[in-house]
Amino acid sequence: EAQVTQNPRYLITVTGKKLTVTCSQNMNHEYMSWYRQDPGLGLRQIYYSMNVEVTDKGDVPEGYKVSRKEKRNFPLILESPSPNQTSLYFCASSLGRGAEAFFGQGTRLTVV
Amino acid sequence: AQKITQTQPGMFVQEKEAVTLDCTYDTSDQSYGLFWYKQPSSGEMIFLIYQGSYDEQNATEGRYSLNFQKARKSANLVISASQLGDSAMYFCAMILRNSGNTPLVFGKGTRLSVIA
Repeated sequence: EAQVTQNPRYLITVTGKKLTVTCSQNMNHEYMSWYRQDPGLGLRQIYYSMNVEVTDKGDVPEGYKVSRKEKRNFPLILESPSPNQTSLYFCASSLGRGAEAFFGQGTRLTVV
Repeated sequence: AQKITQTQPGMFVQEKEAVTLDCTYDTSDQSYGLFWYKQPSSGEMIFLIYQGSYDEQNATEGRYSLNFQKARKSANLVISASQLGDSAMYFCAMILRNSGNTPLVFGKGTRLSVIA
């Protein structure tokens, strides 16, 4: 089954404790991205990747890092999480920039 | 930069009736794609329908159709014969096809509630 898998689904952490949210897709898609969703703000892109070893900032990259060492994986790293990063995070992948994006199930992160 | 506007924060519709969710977009590019996604209370994002800027016919997928009016820069989603399971948030999104590394840009969403 074609899918994008994020882990964990739910995470509560403390300020400053590094964390990684994993994202994996099995569709051989080149394009992957991370979004955060906040009430009243919709979804905003954090980072995206056009292919292996090619990543770039989206609209709200501050406080986040990503890597794309393999085509299927695109982890999101919060080196020092802060409460303003409490949000619902989505990973998405697509065949190309203009193609339908498949979303992961979402990761609800709370930073206390 | 492109922008998506969804002016209806919330909508109510009677079961079995049709409903239109509004979406207007702003871009100076000629080549772009428009998407609608559904987000139920469980949180996942479900792709519904896609319209390319050069597509001459309005896209349809089952009970979903996209009323694409290019000159007015609108891409409204029409859901026919609403069902209780259609209650969810709906997001309109756009991507530019030729302008480098542009993200999928989302509107702020419309919450649809279907009433029995």
